Amino acid sequence: AQSVAQPEDQVNVAEGNPLTVKCTYSVSGNPYLFWYVQYPNRGLQFLLKYITGDNLVKGSYGFEAEFNKSQTSFHLKKPSALVSDSALYFCAVRDMGGYSTLTFGKGTMLLVSP
Amino acid sequence: KAGVTQTPRYLIKTRGQQVTLSCSPISGHRSVSWYQQTPGQGLQFLFEYFSETQRNKGNFPGRFSGRQFSNSRSEMNVSTLELGDSALYLCASSLEVLQETQYFGPGTRLLVL
Repeated sequence: AQSVAQPEDQVNVAEGNPLTVKCTYSVSGNPYLFWYVQYPNRGLQFLLKYITGDNLVKGSYGFEAEFNKSQTSFHLKKPSALVSDSALYFCAVRDMGGYSTLTFGKGTMLLVSP
Repeated sequence: KAGVTQTPRYLIKTRGQQVTLSCSPISGHRSVSWYQQTPGQGLQFLFEYFSETQRNKGNFPGRFSGRQFSNSRSEMNVSTLELGDSALYLCASSLEVLQETQYFGPGTRLLVL
């Protein structure tokens, strides 16, 4: 079975500082990996994905994520946080093999203080 | 292109009733997935449809059912509602291949009293 772990329920960072939201995954085959963001009372918005190729993936709003196969991680990063980045972030994984479903982590609340 | 639309956006029902939620995918998307989001359980997969066929089903009781129409629009139905069914129900659509991104609608917030 596939799974995603987001070890931090909440991450606090000051505006202008770099941020990292952690994600580790488990799949039997090779993964497709995704990051989504959710603002209050909204659906999920796609940020970025890793399919294959370069381990550093760049996405929307200045976010990027690094795929590390040996550590089975896909941490989300941003060099300089904005107050408007405060939201709930979800990591998700899908196994490349077969018709597997998209499995989400529990989510990490990011709070950026002014 | 218009995004994924879900109707209704908000719904209040009482225990024992049934409810039907609707999802219209992005034009050209033939895969539709449904998720239940609650504060305690997070995002849980309900089902996935492709070309009117259920391709995957999550671990939910048979009270939860769905279907997809020939125009890719999808509905999910919950019968005999329980208090614990109160949640945000999210629909997502994608192109048919697995590596494609799922795009989410705004959700339907269901409150069961």
